[in-house]
Amino acid sequence: GESVGLHLPTLSVQEGDNSIINCAYSNSASDYFIWYKQESGKGPQFIIDIRSNMDKRQGQRVTVLLNKTVKHLSLQIAATQPGDSAVYFCAENGDSSYKLIFGSGTRLLVRP
Amino acid sequence: DADVTQTPRNRITKTGKRIMLECSQTKGHDRMYWYRQDPGLGLRLIYYSFDVKDINKGEISDGYSVSRQAQAKFSLSLESAIPNQTALYFCATSDLSSGGSTDTQYFGPGTRLTVL
Repeated sequence: GESVGLHLPTLSVQEGDNSIINCAYSNSASDYFIWYKQESGKGPQFIIDIRSNMDKRQGQRVTVLLNKTVKHLSLQIAATQPGDSAVYFCAENGDSSYKLIFGSGTRLLVRP
Repeated sequence: DADVTQTPRNRITKTGKRIMLECSQTKGHDRMYWYRQDPGLGLRLIYYSFDVKDINKGEISDGYSVSRQAQAKFSLSLESAIPNQTALYFCATSDLSSGGSTDTQYFGPGTRLTVL
């Protein structure tokens, strides 16, 4: 079936370093991908999205890379800060224009 | 996101009780969703609604029902709660008017439900 998975369930980084969170997706029909950040006790918060006609998209301190050949998605966070500590989810739209398929999440821990 | 609110934020109930979780949004979005989140898992779609007259089942709708009372309100009911419905429940909204082929979904703060 359709699935979105993550390679690393927990990622620990030093404050100030760059973080890379990876995600593999399985549905070749997916043309929309999105990253969410979820802090403890809060709902998922939109970070950045990318459509399949792009390979890279940059936001404020974040970059999403899409490799359609190997069905891989990554989120790069520059100069990681303590406030970046959270669980990060990737999601794809599969063959739908409105439903999202979520991965199980990666926990990012930022060491002071 | 303060534009999407959920009540209650926490609820403890007993097996067999009927429970209603409410969601309201001020974003003016047409589409609303209910998700369930279990520890170590991503979000799973329970129900979704494209407008007041359009309600659809998601991947895990058994044991749940919904009501779209207005564009801004979407409630989730557990008719007879059971312990394995203990989870975090999230409401989300989206609107295609932002362009593109797929909506960006915006989530509420969640409701933590415990069924004893």
